[in-house]
Amino acid sequence: QMTLKESGPTLVKPTQTLTLTCSFSGFSLTTRGVNVGWIRQPPGKALEWLALIYWDDDKRYSPSLRSRVTITKDASKTQVVLTMTDMDPVDTATYFCALSLGEKQQPNYFDYWGRGTLVTVSS
Amino acid sequence: SYVLTQPPSVSVAPGQTARITCGGNNIGSKSVHWYQQKPGRAPVVVVYDDTDRPSGIPERFSGSNSGNTATLTISRVEAGDEADYYCQVWDSSSVIFGGGTKLTAL
Repeated sequence: QMTLKESGPTLVKPTQTLTLTCSFSGFSLTTRGVNVGWIRQPPGKALEWLALIYWDDDKRYSPSLRSRVTITKDASKTQVVLTMTDMDPVDTATYFCALSLGEKQQPNYFDYWGRGTLVTVSS
Repeated sequence: SYVLTQPPSVSVAPGQTARITCGGNNIGSKSVHWYQQKPGRAPVVVVYDDTDRPSGIPERFSGSNSGNTATLTISRVEAGDEADYYCQVWDSSSVIFGGGTKLTAL
């Protein structure tokens, strides 16, 4: 059974850096075709993709957030970490991590999702 | 950047057919995935690769994709189908989500 769970601060101040951890089980990020992404959703708004990391440590980022977002993996600890710098109130959202299965050149979807974690940006 | 356009809302009487569209430039050349999201829950994929259904998704959910429009069709709509629906594609190494459509069963 594949499960993912997000963890991190619920409240951050403007200009601070956010660090979120996605802890997963039931799969290995060293297995070819196994990829993990981060998606966020402001309250009452649409989903927004942030980043994706592939089994071979290749990475993709949303063009609009590329300068602020970093995704890394720690395969031995079965975790994926997202950092986002210079947080602003508009970054208030539920942040999801999700598993995507497939080759890099394929238009994969997100098969399994964590429950999400709400991050509020406020002073 | 590539944009996916969805109607904000679709309303249909229970038992009828709902059609939710996702517009994009030549979207017919891309693989479209559809997610259902209920309040307070994570999204769940209901159709992938334009027309395929994951195991456990009712046959009432189907998809099509041609030209500049992809469509999610939900037949015999039930009250439990009320949710937000999002389309998703890949474009230029980026994941793109549509703006979402709220389905209401009147």
